[in-house]
Amino acid sequence: GDSVTQMEGPVTLSEEAFLTINCTYTATGYPSLFWYVQYPGEGLQLLLKATKADDKGSNKGFEATYRKETTSFHLEKGSVQVSDSAVYFCAPHLNSGGSNYKLTFGKGTLLTVNP
Amino acid sequence: DAGVTQSPTHLIKTRGQQVTLRCSPKSGHDTVSWYQQALGQGPQFIFQYYEEEERQRGNFPDRFSGHQFPNYSSELNVNALLLGDSALYLCASSPVGVQPQHFGDGTRLSIL
Repeated sequence: GDSVTQMEGPVTLSEEAFLTINCTYTATGYPSLFWYVQYPGEGLQLLLKATKADDKGSNKGFEATYRKETTSFHLEKGSVQVSDSAVYFCAPHLNSGGSNYKLTFGKGTLLTVNP
Repeated sequence: DAGVTQSPTHLIKTRGQQVTLRCSPKSGHDTVSWYQQALGQGPQFIFQYYEEEERQRGNFPDRFSGHQFPNYSSELNVNALLLGDSALYLCASSPVGVQPQHFGDGTRLSIL
């Protein structure tokens, strides 16, 4: 069945370092793809999205490109800040049977950025 | 414009009890979904409501039930609570058939 695999953490970086969090999925068709972020003690916030092949989603310096050939949607940021410390979730909108679709979350990657 | 609001914020129950969690969707949204997020895990889909009916359901037992009201707000009910039901319960809303979903801050349920 359709599924998502996300790089597990934790990831610890120094401020201004480069960040990559890998995400791949298996799907029938071409799902919409999302990254959500969860700050300590809070719910989920949409970080960015892409809805078709080669789309690049971007927000707050984060980017991810919809790669149809490799069924991937890796999250990147060129220079992380302490305030980026949070848990990041890859969440493709996958088929759950018949004509039903649902957000399917990866296990999450805890990012800690040190000053 | 208020986003998705959930109540209560925290809740402590004992095994065997029943609990009701509440969610008000973002203005203009008519579809509500519920998720369970265990500690250190990603959210797991419980079910989705639209037009006051359950439209999709994840792999959760019948102890988990819900309701949607005419004003689109929703309740999640869990009966015969188990220790394993301890989790953050998240509500998300969207217009029907539209992504992305908007999430509330969740209800932290602890079972003793």
